[in-house]
Amino acid sequence: GENVEQHPSTLSVQEGDSAVIKCTYSDSASNYFPWYKQELGKRPQLIIDIRSNVGEKKDQRIAVTLNKTAKHFSLHITETQPEDSAVYFCAASIYNQGGKLIFGQGTELSVKP
Amino acid sequence: DTEVTQTPKHLVMGMTNKKSLKCEQHMGHRAMYWYKQKAKKPPELMFVYSYEKLSINESVPSRFSPECPNSSLLNLHLHALQPEDSALYLCASSQSLGGGNYEQYFGPGTRLTVT
Repeated sequence: GENVEQHPSTLSVQEGDSAVIKCTYSDSASNYFPWYKQELGKRPQLIIDIRSNVGEKKDQRIAVTLNKTAKHFSLHITETQPEDSAVYFCAASIYNQGGKLIFGQGTELSVKP
Repeated sequence: DTEVTQTPKHLVMGMTNKKSLKCEQHMGHRAMYWYKQKAKKPPELMFVYSYEKLSINESVPSRFSPECPNSSLLNLHLHALQPEDSALYLCASSQSLGGGNYEQYFGPGTRLTVT
């Protein structure tokens, strides 16, 4: 079955710097890749997603890139702010497996003022 | 309404108790999910309902019993739980399971403690 690996497990950056989180997946049939942000004690919040027919997607300070050949996708956050501090989860989904999301293990991002 | 709501926010129960968790969405979504999440770990899928029918059961112990009374409501009935079942229980919904409509939106969760 699908397996998603996420790196790094923790990431600390200074405010204003960029942060990059990387995920690799194993099943080439995966075609949907969402990213969730979870602040302490809160729900996972969908922040951006990408489908396999697209190579890059941006939304203000966040962007996601997908390399289908290498089977990896990345989250890029520019001009980080303290409120970006949270745990970020990547996930992968295969269209014919009933909406099942396979999550990475998460990255704890800390943005220091 | 663009939210998934869950009640209660917190629940403490003994190993012999029976309790239920409730999830509601009014976005017209036809797929609903139950996840279990331990601290600083990713959500683990438990059940998926599509058009009010159970679609996926991830080999969850029978002490967890899901129910989907209608397209807006999802319940999780709990009985004879173990302390290791203590976790955050998250509900999610999506427009459907296929057709490219995959975005899953999570509720705030129920923090369950089994004593």
